[in-house]
Amino acid sequence: DTEVTQTPKHLVMGMTNKKSLKCEQHMGHRAMYWYKQKAKKPPELMFVYSYEKLSINESVPSRFSPECPNSSLLNLHLHALQPEDSALYLCASRQGGNQPQHFGDGTRLSIL
Amino acid sequence: GENVEQHPSTLSVQEGDSAVIKCTYSDSASNYFPWYKQELGKRPQLIIDIRSNVGEKKDQRIAVTLNKTAKHFSLHITETQPEDSAVYFCAASNPYFRGSTLGRLYFGRGTQLTVWP
Repeated sequence: DTEVTQTPKHLVMGMTNKKSLKCEQHMGHRAMYWYKQKAKKPPELMFVYSYEKLSINESVPSRFSPECPNSSLLNLHLHALQPEDSALYLCASRQGGNQPQHFGDGTRLSIL
Repeated sequence: GENVEQHPSTLSVQEGDSAVIKCTYSDSASNYFPWYKQELGKRPQLIIDIRSNVGEKKDQRIAVTLNKTAKHFSLHITETQPEDSAVYFCAASNPYFRGSTLGRLYFGRGTQLTVWP
């Protein structure tokens, strides 16, 4: 069972569309992460929220906009994406720096 | 920042044989080392982890060893089975990253393990 829940599981969108990815965890974890993953490559860190505040932005283009409404929820707003943005988007959470990081099942995003 | 190297990139073994995947890291401040297994189309799943105050940890057929002096850690899978076939990622965690005490993971490039029946 996945303790981090992501919706939707699949998303197909055009380059002019606006959509949002959602992530939820109820483990009381203080850090939440967005990753982008291409096939057979390691997850690539995009954003880190610590105590509901954005603490790390790994130089991600502004067409990706994260939001943390509360300690359990994390959103990723998408706008004017490019075909190269097609990937698996993973959300993860952890309690602390030397604690396990748990991944959600991801959203498979395809940009037409 | 941290740099994690992982070898080999591909590994093929016969069912029942052992498999070993090795990783090195560069930042002596890293203190947490998880291993993830990712099957095709699925999420990375934590299979075992080790902290820097421990040299070895075992969970059934899976074991991880850590050499802090040499800055390397290894995953050992014994009695491999076809269902062990997947991509395996090692990672290192520095607890202090850009002023945050919650840290981040640095991943190796992954090892595609294939177990032949």
